[in-house]
Amino acid sequence: GQNIDQPTEMTATEGAIVQINCTYQTSGFNGLFWYQQHAGEAPTFLSYNVLDGLEEKGRFSSFLSRSKGYSYLLLKELQMKDSASYLCAVRDSNYQLIWGAGTKLIIKP
Amino acid sequence: SQTIHQWPATLVQPVGSPLSLECTVEGTSNPNLYWYRQAAGRGLQLLFYSVGIGQISSEVPQNLSASRPQDRQFILSSKKLLLSDSGFYLCAWGGQQGSETQYFGPGTRLLVL
Repeated sequence: GQNIDQPTEMTATEGAIVQINCTYQTSGFNGLFWYQQHAGEAPTFLSYNVLDGLEEKGRFSSFLSRSKGYSYLLLKELQMKDSASYLCAVRDSNYQLIWGAGTKLIIKP
Repeated sequence: SQTIHQWPATLVQPVGSPLSLECTVEGTSNPNLYWYRQAAGRGLQLLFYSVGIGQISSEVPQNLSASRPQDRQFILSSKKLLLSDSGFYLCAWGGQQGSETQYFGPGTRLLVL
């Protein structure tokens, strides 16, 4: 079967750094996506990795290791508005997205 | 730029009633279109996807159906809603290559009572 694992919930402090991990087992791999979803809203695209290594976009970075079936999303200089769920999704051999259940990130002042 | 619309934003329906949710996309031609459902605390579940007018692929057997009468219109329907149909319904579009990012509409929150 296909499986995406992420922690259910994480807590961090405003101004700090947090790393959200994602491990996957899928039938084929054609890229990994991270989305942000605020409560009651639709997911918005954050990052895409298809090759091993780190992709940086401002305060957010995403890392991929295909051999380990592992990715993480790194958020720096946390702000209260970063409180949201972060969804990891992998595109499989059929080019369909397989979604994790998401990690709820709580930011405390 | 591309935009995607969904309506209604929220819906409360009795069990056994019909359903019609609409999704339209602007600013792109011949997109791939997707219907997802998100239950509380769960990952996104792909319900249907379409690569063109009249072309619908179903991922999960259920009492829902989808149609694509126009290039940029995608409709999710049911003849008789079940309690288990409650959830957050999201429409998304992506490029025709199948390798591009999916972008989501604002969603419809459905409560079946």
